[in-house]
Amino acid sequence: SQTIHQWPATLVQPVGSPLSLECTVEGTSNPNLYWYRQAAGRGLQLLFYSVGIGQISSEVPQNLSASRPQDRQFILSSKKLLLSDSGFYLCAWGTGLLTDTQYFGPGTRLTVL
Amino acid sequence: GDSVTQMEGPVTLSEEAFLTINCTYTATGYPSLFWYVQYPGEGLQLLLKATKADDKGSNKGFEATYRKETTSFHLEKGSVQVSDSAVYFCALSDSFSYGQNFVFGPGTRLSVLP
Repeated sequence: SQTIHQWPATLVQPVGSPLSLECTVEGTSNPNLYWYRQAAGRGLQLLFYSVGIGQISSEVPQNLSASRPQDRQFILSSKKLLLSDSGFYLCAWGTGLLTDTQYFGPGTRLTVL
Repeated sequence: GDSVTQMEGPVTLSEEAFLTINCTYTATGYPSLFWYVQYPGEGLQLLLKATKADDKGSNKGFEATYRKETTSFHLEKGSVQVSDSAVYFCALSDSFSYGQNFVFGPGTRLSVLP
């Protein structure tokens, strides 16, 4: 069966510090991968998606970047965090088929102080 | 572009009450429709889905029917429990340049009181 991992689970970082969040998927190959952000009490905002190694597309301009160095690894990064980067970050994977669901990881709670 | 609208709540019900959370969508193609549930501090879990018109998705006592004529996918449960307290997201899946595009509604927070 497929599983998706995210770490760390929680993170408190000062403004201006770098960020690296990691997501890995097991039990599937060539998945579509997604990074979402959920601000407190808000819905999900798609940040990045990837259909293959090294292929990254951004949905909104922001202070963040993403990379996919391996088929089942997706990394979210920032060189200098802003207060507005605080939120709950969710990684998800999917097959890309229209009728299939996306499967979500447990999330990372990021607080920027 | 595609969009999903749902009642934002919060919705507060007593245990064993009937639940309806409305969801309507706008899509250019023929989307698949989903309901996800998020418990505090966790990721989203698929609750149910429907992939074509008039399909009914069901799981754990929850039901939703894909109504193409009214572009709706309302979530219902006949008797809610305290354990159903969570945030519920309606979503659609449609085709996009890179394949599958998911669009989520804003979420509806449900609180069930004993």
